[in-house]
Amino acid sequence: DSGVTQTPKHLITATGQRVTLRCSPRSGDLSVYWYQQSLDQGLQFLIQYYNGEERAKGNILERFSAQQFPDLHSELNLSSLELGDSALYFCASSVVGLAGADTQYFGPGTRLTVL
Amino acid sequence: DQQVKQNSPSLSVQEGRISILNCDYTNSMFDYFLWYKKYPAEGPTFLISISSIKDKNEDGRFTVFLNKSAKHLSLHIVPSQPGDSAVYFCAASGGYSTLTFGKGTMLLVSP
Repeated sequence: DSGVTQTPKHLITATGQRVTLRCSPRSGDLSVYWYQQSLDQGLQFLIQYYNGEERAKGNILERFSAQQFPDLHSELNLSSLELGDSALYFCASSVVGLAGADTQYFGPGTRLTVL
Repeated sequence: DQQVKQNSPSLSVQEGRISILNCDYTNSMFDYFLWYKKYPAEGPTFLISISSIKDKNEDGRFTVFLNKSAKHLSLHIVPSQPGDSAVYFCAASGGYSTLTFGKGTMLLVSP
């Protein structure tokens, strides 16, 4: 158990809909990262927050957005869903938020299925 | 353009033997490298890391080797155990940037 929690575990929805994925980081971690893992793909970095502020952006679509709240939990919002958005979405957290300085610990993931 | 490549999608090894997982990278700015292990239905778990100022880092049965001139790193598991069967991801970062992951290698250790 990494200490990172993600809800829900599974999500099935239809094209065009909007969903919210939630992540609670490990106690004491200030940085949260979101990754997408599609079939046969590695983990694709989407976005990073540090202490409530966006720190880095990766291959995140405009239909996707995220935020980190004062209690440090984070939400990833996916809208106008398409079939291709079906994937595993992982959240990770770290203390400082500097990839070369600290380790990212991953949650169990949310499996999103868009029908 | 894949900056971190794991060219072997899968690897089969017998219990007790050495497992060698390979990873190549193209970005010369990468200076920190990690290996993660992932079991089905779980998130990736950190295994071992290495900074570019080193060429080897060891932790129990796991050793990571870094060859900067070849832009290549490898993970050695000795001896391999059935519980090591999982997908192994190589990841890299540079200048304190976020991690770039390879697509993973599925390791199967048979008794």
